[in-house]
Amino acid sequence: GDSVTQTEGPVTLSEGTSLTVNCSYETKQYPTLFWYVQYPGEGPQLLFKVPKANEKGSNRGFEATYNKEATSFHLQKASVQESDSAVYYCALGEGNYQLIWGSGTKLIIKP
Amino acid sequence: NAGVIQTPRHKVTGKGQEATLWCEPISGHSAVFWYRQTIVQGLEFLTYFRNQAPIDDSGMPKERFSAQMPNQSHSTLKIQSTQPQDSAVYLCASSLGGRSYEQYFGPGTRLTVL
Repeated sequence: GDSVTQTEGPVTLSEGTSLTVNCSYETKQYPTLFWYVQYPGEGPQLLFKVPKANEKGSNRGFEATYNKEATSFHLQKASVQESDSAVYYCALGEGNYQLIWGSGTKLIIKP
Repeated sequence: NAGVIQTPRHKVTGKGQEATLWCEPISGHSAVFWYRQTIVQGLEFLTYFRNQAPIDDSGMPKERFSAQMPNQSHSTLKIQSTQPQDSAVYLCASSLGGRSYEQYFGPGTRLTVL
């Protein structure tokens, strides 16, 4: 069946450094891929939907691309801020219009 | 436009008591999802309704857990005879349905079973 594997956390970075979170997926369908972010005390919120292969999506300074050949997709940010501390989830849409979730990557930003 | 509303935000029950959690999806959304979130297990899918009909309950523990969607404006998750291992954050999400995957989450209900 469909599956998603995500960078294990926690990831600890200093403010101003760059971030990359990796996800790989398995599906027999054309992939529909998402990134979500969850702040403490809140539910996950949609960061953005990853566009077609080799196109870059972006929101709030984050960017995402996916590599169809490698069946992987990546979330990146050039310069993280303390407010980016959160848990980041990748998700894969499956046939029944549900989402298969990665395990989440906790990001800790030190000032 | 209000987001997904979940009540209560916190619930404390004694072992063996019943807990009912409520979810009001975003108006116009036809799909509702329930998840359970713990530090150990992460985000676990429980069940999914589309146009009020149950579509997939493969994540629901077979005993003690039940979910309903009596109308398009609310869904409930009921846990009978609660146990300490049921302590978790229960999240509800809704989506437009149709061919849309995007889910929008409520803030969750933190259930603590003593």
